[in-house]
Amino acid sequence: GAGVSQSPSNKVTEKGKDVELRCDPISGHTALYWYRQSLGQGLEFLIYFQGNSAPDKSGLPSDRFSAERTGGSVSTLTIQRTQQEDSAVYLCASSFLASGSYEQYFGPGTRLTVT
Amino acid sequence: AQTVTQSQPEMSVQEAETVTLSCTYDTSESDYYLFWYKQPPSRQMILVIRQEAYKQQNATENRFSVNFQKAAKSFSLKISDSQLGDAAMYFCAYRSASFGGGADGLTFGKGTHLIIQP
Repeated sequence: GAGVSQSPSNKVTEKGKDVELRCDPISGHTALYWYRQSLGQGLEFLIYFQGNSAPDKSGLPSDRFSAERTGGSVSTLTIQRTQQEDSAVYLCASSFLASGSYEQYFGPGTRLTVT
Repeated sequence: AQTVTQSQPEMSVQEAETVTLSCTYDTSESDYYLFWYKQPPSRQMILVIRQEAYKQQNATENRFSVNFQKAAKSFSLKISDSQLGDAAMYFCAYRSASFGGGADGLTFGKGTHLIIQP
């Protein structure tokens, strides 16, 4: 079956602009995760959705970051007023927690460059 | 908070040889999951192998096996008969068996860049 997909693959934006990153999880996966991968910080966990709700948003780096998930499927990560330090690869993953395996399946990521 | 340490930024091995990648972690929990992920230049994170902390038996997936030492909080990955396609970044990751309070995501090490010499 289809894996996790993310769009766009690459995004270049000017400092101060808003960007939206999209994640389409594996069909039937109830849990969805966002991570950020940067040279300086490595891989950071940002936020987790179980269904449409995000129980804990404390991993988001600042209040410029927000995320939503609708219909228990597609999720968007929005970064407002982008800064150069937001440049990174943003990875999305999904899992089927009811299986008890806790394995997360990752998408190919979106490389964000803020100029 | 849990931490994961990979002390080898880069490893090199001859094709067909065996290589071991190191990972240690720090946690106060007794129940958790450990994973090794592979990330080739395509950026796609691929699950290589997983280990449940409550299982004493080391996990094995074809040429990949782990040495899980719970008391020592060590989780190394052994790759046998290395192939050119094994070249990638390898990340060790920890996941609590709990939910909430930030426990839901994976905690990753900094990664080990594996080079396969032909």
